[in-house]
Amino acid sequence: QVQLQESGPGLVKPSETLSLTCTVSGGSISSYYWSWIRQPPGKGLEWIGYISHSGSTNHNPSLKSRVTISMDSSKNQFSLNLSSVTAADTAVYYCARYGSRRNDIWGQGTMVTVSS
Amino acid sequence: DIQMTQSPSSVSASVGDRVTITCRASQGISNWLAWYQQKPGKAPKVLIYAASSLQSGVPSRFSGSGSGTDFTLTISSLQPEDFATYYCQQAYSFPLVFGPGTKVDIK
Repeated sequence: QVQLQESGPGLVKPSETLSLTCTVSGGSISSYYWSWIRQPPGKGLEWIGYISHSGSTNHNPSLKSRVTISMDSSKNQFSLNLSSVTAADTAVYYCARYGSRRNDIWGQGTMVTVSS
Repeated sequence: DIQMTQSPSSVSASVGDRVTITCRASQGISNWLAWYQQKPGKAPKVLIYAASSLQSGVPSRFSGSGSGTDFTLTISSLQPEDFATYYCQQAYSFPLVFGPGTKVDIK
């Protein structure tokens, strides 16, 4: 079955760029949409953005232009870059598959702390 | 952006109880609503999509209803494994927006 796994640094300094990768196994990334979602400690879920199987992207306007989502089909991976991070970006970051209007498969999540 | 609200924010219930959670969208979203369950330290899990369609593998005690702006998630007979936080999410337009969550805990 399809599984997703996030990877990347657990600690990022303020003003730097947070970079995470999601590896998809058991299925091809060349279909569906692929999402990033985050959850600050003790708080609710915030959709960050998606990349489609064709490479088109969309992101939450609340994050302004800090978000870049890209894909490497040869590795069956997609990635998130979030620039100019602050403490407010501290959260568990999830990758998920989006299809038929729901996020049906999720990674386990990775905690990212923004601190000097 | 479409805003989502949920009520109640928390509910205390006993095993076997019927539990109903309400979700409201700030504008009509047809039936493009999903419900997720999240347990502490775990990723969310989709229960219901398109307002009333049961995700494969989800027990039939979970059901969803509604369209337009008002939606409901019902757990017909609460089981011990159902104590969790539940989120609705509109899937009508981007940005996708989640409700603030409803925590179901033990009475």
